[in-house]
Amino acid sequence: SQELEQSPQSLIVQEGKNLTINCTSSKTLYGLYWYKQKYGEGLIFLMMLQKGGEEKSHEKITAKLDEKKQQSSLHITASQPSHAGIYLCGAALNRDDKIIFGKGTRLHILP
Amino acid sequence: DVKVTQSSRYLVKRTGEKVFLECVQDMDHENMFWYRQDPGLGLRLIYFSYDVKMKEKGDIPEGYSVSREKKERFSLILESASTNQTSMYLCASSLWGTGYNSPLHFGNGTRLTVT
Repeated sequence: SQELEQSPQSLIVQEGKNLTINCTSSKTLYGLYWYKQKYGEGLIFLMMLQKGGEEKSHEKITAKLDEKKQQSSLHITASQPSHAGIYLCGAALNRDDKIIFGKGTRLHILP
Repeated sequence: DVKVTQSSRYLVKRTGEKVFLECVQDMDHENMFWYRQDPGLGLRLIYFSYDVKMKEKGDIPEGYSVSREKKERFSLILESASTNQTSMYLCASSLWGTGYNSPLHFGNGTRLTVT
């Protein structure tokens, strides 16, 4: 079974609208990472979260790690066409582990 | 900024050929990784290396080998390419440590087609 679940799998949003993508695990998340991937290209590192309750922002993108460290959300405010792409969460499920990834959320922005 | 460079964006090879995918990073990172990415399966780890001349198997090492003779370079080798190895291959590096505290930095990927 997939250890990191992302939802939704796909999202179509009107330009200017806000949106949220979730990343959930049944285990504690250590070193939670968010990446963006443009179609056919590599992954671009957005943010790293480590502490329960932590929140970080990059331009109009905000990511939070919940207090229990089992879920993270990525929120985009006033979406733009440049936000379109695939968003992936990655995490280590213990301190000594490698990073595993969710299957991604495909985001389309309608002009 | 960290730069991870993969030698080819697109490759087309024939079944049975030996294929080399090259990856170079310029930030003196200790760790390097090879993933493949397939629709519906996500990113899967093939091999990784925490040091020069060291290598460890990931989740799907069958049919692949790797070489790390220099710190900055990590090569993925398909000994005898098969059609089920058609995929997007992504190289990544991280500074040190484990996934707890060291983000991965990715190259732009190599889309390999085996015919």
